[in-house]
Amino acid sequence: DTEVTQTPKHLVMGMTNKKSLKCEQHMGHRAMYWYKQKAKKPPELMFVYSYEKLSINESVPSRFSPECPNSSLLNLHLHALQPEDSALYLCASSQVHTSYEQYFGPGTRLTVT
Amino acid sequence: DAKTTQPPSMDCAEGRAANLPCNHSTISGNEYVYWYRQIHSQGPQYIIHGLKNNETNEMASLIITEDRKSSTLILPHATLRDTAVYYCSAGGTSYGKLTFGQGTILTVHP
Repeated sequence: DTEVTQTPKHLVMGMTNKKSLKCEQHMGHRAMYWYKQKAKKPPELMFVYSYEKLSINESVPSRFSPECPNSSLLNLHLHALQPEDSALYLCASSQVHTSYEQYFGPGTRLTVT
Repeated sequence: DAKTTQPPSMDCAEGRAANLPCNHSTISGNEYVYWYRQIHSQGPQYIIHGLKNNETNEMASLIITEDRKSSTLILPHATLRDTAVYYCSAGGTSYGKLTFGQGTILTVHP
């Protein structure tokens, strides 16, 4: 199984809502990632978890809160987002954080109204 | 990470080889070149990576010049399903950080 799953596929939320994005992998990978991708732009790294510990936060605003409950799951909690946060949010995993081969999920298309 | 430069778009006929160039003139000695592609509405897909030797896998070949300042990704027999944005990047992953370049939109025509 080389699949990374993400739920939901689409999410529309107001600026005062709280919502969560979920990511799951069952490949035994010990590194997991969140990326943000705006239209017609390359993905940009947000967070890296290595062995369930946060190892990189790319100066992401605190309205985005990641969580890694176990080695297979990665969540991104969203609160008080702005319309400019509307984007495709991609989750990825790799065997270890030093691997160039990351497996990406299909993403969650987020719209903030 | 080294800055990479790619042509914004390229065309290729189905069944022919697609040769995608990438310039990374500021690459340092321990930085790898790596390629991903992103088909519309999907997450990026890893293709290949290399340090200085040419590399081949079931998807593609990566040719890196001797001075390592540029490289070419080769899809030997392009199909319509290879139409995608191809990202070339150069850097290390000491902390798990991949940095995607601006990408080349490859369109494969029948």
